[in-house]
Amino acid sequence: RKEVEQDPGPFNVPEGATVAFNCTYSNSASQSFFWYRQDCRKEPKLLMSVYSSGNEDGRFTAQLNRASQYISLLIRDSKLSDSATYLCVVMLYNNNDMRFGAGTRLTVKP
Amino acid sequence: EAQVTQNPRYLITVTGKKLTVTCSQNMNHEYMSWYRQDPGLGLRQIYYSMNVEVTDKGDVPEGYKVSRKEKRNFPLILESPSPNQTSLYFCASSLDPTGGDYGYTFGSGTRLTVV
Repeated sequence: RKEVEQDPGPFNVPEGATVAFNCTYSNSASQSFFWYRQDCRKEPKLLMSVYSSGNEDGRFTAQLNRASQYISLLIRDSKLSDSATYLCVVMLYNNNDMRFGAGTRLTVKP
Repeated sequence: EAQVTQNPRYLITVTGKKLTVTCSQNMNHEYMSWYRQDPGLGLRQIYYSMNVEVTDKGDVPEGYKVSRKEKRNFPLILESPSPNQTSLYFCASSLDPTGGDYGYTFGSGTRLTVV
């Protein structure tokens, strides 16, 4: 079993749709969680950190469920510019052990 | 502009011919690392460095070397490249291993093909 698992997609959604991705992690000692965005042929960039209480940044909402060991990313009112691959990242506390998921590909269509 | 600069962007080489991929950052970051990205596998860490002269192996260090003689530079060296090292490589830097509030800053990537 992979340490960080994501549905690879692709998710094809129309503009304005709401779409959600899940990511599961296997190590219960994981303490820090992030979502990165990677455009085609480009480098990953931090989208948002995921806090225990959940957090929101504009149209993006991230949530953490420690009991079930998954994190989620919700995108509301999808824009064409949201088309990208979304990488789930999990880190053990006080440890250089950052694990990247293989990514979920999203395509938003007109 | 704050950035991580990797060179070259694209490289095709032959098996066994030593090569170096350079990485330089201008943000005075202490932490730097190298990743390779392969389809379906996500980014896997090759080596990382917590500071000058401090380097350590990541998950897939075999066939690679690094050095950190200066804070800003962290070159990746393939002494004898093989076809299974064909991949997309990213250098990253940050203030600390967690990435802090701003996450990792990645270079633009180096697409390496070994024939």
